[in-house]
Amino acid sequence: GAVVSQHPSWVICKSGTSVKIECRSLDFQATTMFWYRQFPKQSLMLMATSNEGSKATYEQGVEKDKFLINHASLTLSTLTVTSAHPEDSSFYICSAPGPFRGYGYTFGSGTRLTVV
Amino acid sequence: KQEVTQIPAALSVPEGENLVLNCSFTDSAIYNLQWFRQDPGKGLTSLLLIQSSQREQTSGRLNASLDKSSGRSTLYIAASQPGDSATYLCAVPSRAGTASKLTFGTGTRLQVTL
Repeated sequence: GAVVSQHPSWVICKSGTSVKIECRSLDFQATTMFWYRQFPKQSLMLMATSNEGSKATYEQGVEKDKFLINHASLTLSTLTVTSAHPEDSSFYICSAPGPFRGYGYTFGSGTRLTVV
Repeated sequence: KQEVTQIPAALSVPEGENLVLNCSFTDSAIYNLQWFRQDPGKGLTSLLLIQSSQREQTSGRLNASLDKSSGRSTLYIAASQPGDSATYLCAVPSRAGTASKLTFGTGTRLQVTL
């Protein structure tokens, strides 16, 4: 089946630094990638939608300059948390529609970000 | 605006029991519905996808049904095992097409005890 590979699985960084999270679609092309954030014991919150070759669409309340999204190729989308602060600590997950209509959505394994 | 609710929020059952998880949605004009499981600290794993034209889908011990007119879907798990312990989420896309946002249910946290 379709696989979305997400790295890193976990990362600890110091306040003020930037962290990049990568999501790669394996064996299929993902023209669209959804980025979610999840707090403990809560459901997923959509942050933004990236489309290959164009600017990402951010959900209301999500800071574009803090959460930089790049979708430079049909198999790679990245989320960079810039100038990270402890309140950015969370679980970040990406998702892509499957390789054909009716396949559904495939999710990455998630990245646990801890800012200290 | 589509709202998706799951009942119960949490469930604990002994191993071997059959169980039903419920998912309700307010807008019946859905295109499909997908069931996922999420293990603690992990991403989502797709379990079943039901197209709007289908009534049910089966995969192993899992069976998902869909009743669009009543705005409900159920996930039936037969002969539950401790490995089934996870949070189960249902989700519906906001529109047709392959790149639509998903609206997630509130989730059911399942624990299967020995």
